[in-house]
Amino acid sequence: AQKITQTQPGMFVQEKEAVTLDCTYDTSDQSYGLFWYKQPSSGEMIFLIYQGSYDEQNATEGRYSLNFQKARKSANLVISASQLGDSAMYFCAMSRSNTGNQFYFGTGTSLTVIP
Amino acid sequence: DVKVTQSSRYLVKRTGEKVFLECVQDMDHENMFWYRQDPGLGLRLIYFSYDVKMKEKGDIPEGYSVSREKKERFSLILESASTNQTSMYLCASRAPAGPSNEQFFGPGTRLTVL
Repeated sequence: AQKITQTQPGMFVQEKEAVTLDCTYDTSDQSYGLFWYKQPSSGEMIFLIYQGSYDEQNATEGRYSLNFQKARKSANLVISASQLGDSAMYFCAMSRSNTGNQFYFGTGTSLTVIP
Repeated sequence: DVKVTQSSRYLVKRTGEKVFLECVQDMDHENMFWYRQDPGLGLRLIYFSYDVKMKEKGDIPEGYSVSREKKERFSLILESASTNQTSMYLCASRAPAGPSNEQFFGPGTRLTVL
């Protein structure tokens, strides 16, 4: 069974500091994708970053980077220079290359940025 | 830009009512999904569809059905709403082929069943 685990229900970070949100996954597939989404209090899901299972370099998108450790099956999100607007729920997800290209989501981490 | 719209942001229904949640996407995506989101449980897949009239059960299909008569529209139906179906419902669509395609989400429908 495919599974995504986010062990941090809530996290706090000081404004302008970096923060790491943990994500581990479990799959027997060779080809898969890992995603992070942000969900502000307004409810919309915002795509942040993607990492492919065959990508050798860690993905980066602006202040977001994905620390991909394939052997450990972890895909942690690093947010640098935190801003107040980063306060939100963050979800890690994994995709499979199967019919419908299903996604599997973790339970989320609530990040609060403190001024 | 891809746009996924949902018919209502907030909905209040009574126990036993039949409820329709509509989702429309404008990017010609083959794959569409319905999730429910509950605190501490993340997003759980109810149903998905990979083509018109094609549907597959997700992890929690009980109490729900779906309809996809046109490519752009995917409807979630609660045949007889119950209080335990009070939740946030999110629709998503995704282009086919390749694990790199992200899912695009609608704004969500917060359903309350009294």
